[in-house]
Amino acid sequence: DSGVTQTPKHLITATGQRVTLRCSPRSGDLSVYWYQQSLDQGLQFLIQYYNGEERAKGNILERFSAQQFPDLHSELNLSSLELGDSALYFCASSPHSGGVGEKLFFGSGTQLSVL
Amino acid sequence: DAKTTQPNSMESNEEEPVHLPCNHSTISGTDYIHWYRQLPSQGPEYVIHGLTSNVNNRMASLAIAEDRKSSTLILHRATLRDAAVYYCILRDLGGSNYKLTFGKGTLLTVNP
Repeated sequence: DSGVTQTPKHLITATGQRVTLRCSPRSGDLSVYWYQQSLDQGLQFLIQYYNGEERAKGNILERFSAQQFPDLHSELNLSSLELGDSALYFCASSPHSGGVGEKLFFGSGTQLSVL
Repeated sequence: DAKTTQPNSMESNEEEPVHLPCNHSTISGTDYIHWYRQLPSQGPEYVIHGLTSNVNNRMASLAIAEDRKSSTLILHRATLRDAAVYYCILRDLGGSNYKLTFGKGTLLTVNP
């Protein structure tokens, strides 16, 4: 158990809909990262938040947004969903801002299926 | 980001050592070498990391070539639980590489 909690574990929805994925980082960790894993693209970094502020951005679509709240949990919002958004979404956390020697701890993911 | 090259798959027998190679010929002097693994139906898990010297921890050893253009993750006695995809990743000390950039990794199969 990594200590990172993601909810829900599974989500089934329809095209055009909006969903929210939630992540609780390990106790004391200040950074939260979101990754998307699909069969054809592998693990893709989406975005990182550090202590409530956006720190780094990756291949995140404009239809997607994220935020980190004062209690350090994070939410990833996916809107106008398309079939291609079906994937496993992972959240990770790390103690600080993500320095070169810092370990990331990953949750077990949310499986999103868009029908 | 500097790129890494790993074999797509490898096979091992239980209780035997496994050597997982990674080539990173364009590595810079400030790149750290990180290894993560992903067990089936789970998120990635940190294994080990190093800069120049060989590193050991309870999970594995990391052997880094003298010219740093390649490295090898060593599992001393493979168990069935070690069957996973292993990712070799470079992280730059000097840049803003806060993210981990995962490649396709090596799928390790462990035979009983």
